Amino acid sequence: AQSVTQLGSHVSVSEGALVLLRCNYSSSVPPYLFWYVQYPNQGLQLLLKYTTGATLVKGINGFEAEFKKSETSFHLTKPSAHMSDAAEYFCAVSEGVTGSASKLTFGTGTRLQVTL
Amino acid sequence: DTEVTQTPKHLVMGMTNKKSLKCEQHMGHRAMYWYKQKAKKPPELMFVYSYEKLSINESVPSRFSPECPNSSLLNLHLHALQPEDSALYLCASSQKGTSQVAQYFGPGTRLTVL
Repeated sequence: AQSVTQLGSHVSVSEGALVLLRCNYSSSVPPYLFWYVQYPNQGLQLLLKYTTGATLVKGINGFEAEFKKSETSFHLTKPSAHMSDAAEYFCAVSEGVTGSASKLTFGTGTRLQVTL
Repeated sequence: DTEVTQTPKHLVMGMTNKKSLKCEQHMGHRAMYWYKQKAKKPPELMFVYSYEKLSINESVPSRFSPECPNSSLLNLHLHALQPEDSALYLCASSQKGTSQVAQYFGPGTRLTVL
């Protein structure tokens, strides 16, 4: 079964500092990986996804992630944190299921705090 | 447009009530999902519909009954719930295809069972 592990349940950075949220995956087949963000009392918003092709993936709000097969990692980064980035971030891996659906397996999440 | 809508936003119900949660998408997606999310936890998959047919039931208690009337709508009927069922219920949808496609989530319904 596929799984993802997010290292660090809570990350705190200063505004303007680099954001690094860690995600490692376990998969016996080429993984399809996603990052979602969840603001308080809201649903999940897709930040970016890796399927095939370029290993550096750019997403919304200035975030990007790099797929590293040798390290089984898909870490999320942003060069300069903004107060509005404070939220819960979930890494997820997808596998196909019957019909045309997919099944997402989420990591436990990382809460990003941004301080002045 | 990647919008999934859910109603109501908040719901409070007693353990003997019957209520329904509704989800709608107009993106032409053919797969729809229900998730349950407890506080400070990741979403947990409950049901998957593919082409309006139930394809996955993650051993969810029968007090939760999903329904997919057409390709744009997904309902979750609730009956005789327990206080531990209080959670954020999220709906999602995805395009037909493989596991490469992303799921798009609605804002959720915050359910409180008294």
